[in-house]
Amino acid sequence: DSGVTQTPKHLITATGQRVTLRCSPRSGDLSVYWYQQSLDQGLQFLIHYYNGEERAKGNILERFSAQQFPDLHSELNLSSLELGDSALYFCASSAMTGNQDGYTFGSGTRLTVV
Amino acid sequence: SQQGEEDPQALSIQEGENATMNCSYKTSINNLQWYRQNSGRGLVHLILIRSNEREKHSGRLRVTLDTSKKSSSLLITASRAADTASYFCATDAKGQGAQKLVFGQGTRLTINP
Repeated sequence: DSGVTQTPKHLITATGQRVTLRCSPRSGDLSVYWYQQSLDQGLQFLIHYYNGEERAKGNILERFSAQQFPDLHSELNLSSLELGDSALYFCASSAMTGNQDGYTFGSGTRLTVV
Repeated sequence: SQQGEEDPQALSIQEGENATMNCSYKTSINNLQWYRQNSGRGLVHLILIRSNEREKHSGRLRVTLDTSKKSSSLLITASRAADTASYFCATDAKGQGAQKLVFGQGTRLTINP
């Protein structure tokens, strides 16, 4: 157990639907990062939050949004889902903003869009 | 585009042999990190090397960094079946403002018993 909790582990949904992925960072970590991993695109950075504030955005689609709450957990919302959104979605956390000690990753949410 | 590019894409060796994976990147970095991912699982941080360091060891792992060539290598000595996994390099590029790690495509390592 890495200390980063992601729920749900698996999600199957239909095209056009909306889903919410949840992440609880490791205790004491203020930074949360979201990544998408697919076979053709590899690991793509989506977004970074630090202590509730958005700090960096990557290749995140407009249909996707995220937020970090006061208790530091984060949610990634994916809407108007397409077949191509099927992927593993990872959340990672770190103590600070920055990468001084590496990230701690959760076990991921496998999203299948049918 | 990916900052880090691993080489080879796949590597298969016998248990007990050493495994070497390489990573090349494009921009100046603050640090470079290596991660391991077992099939379908989360990534595990292995080692971080800063831009002013040239070599770092952790157990059976040895990482080198050559900033002039923008390249790094990960050596796993005396490999074990449990080392079978994908290995990713990730770079923390300078000048990103809010930092984020950019991952390469990974090297799939298979250790044959």
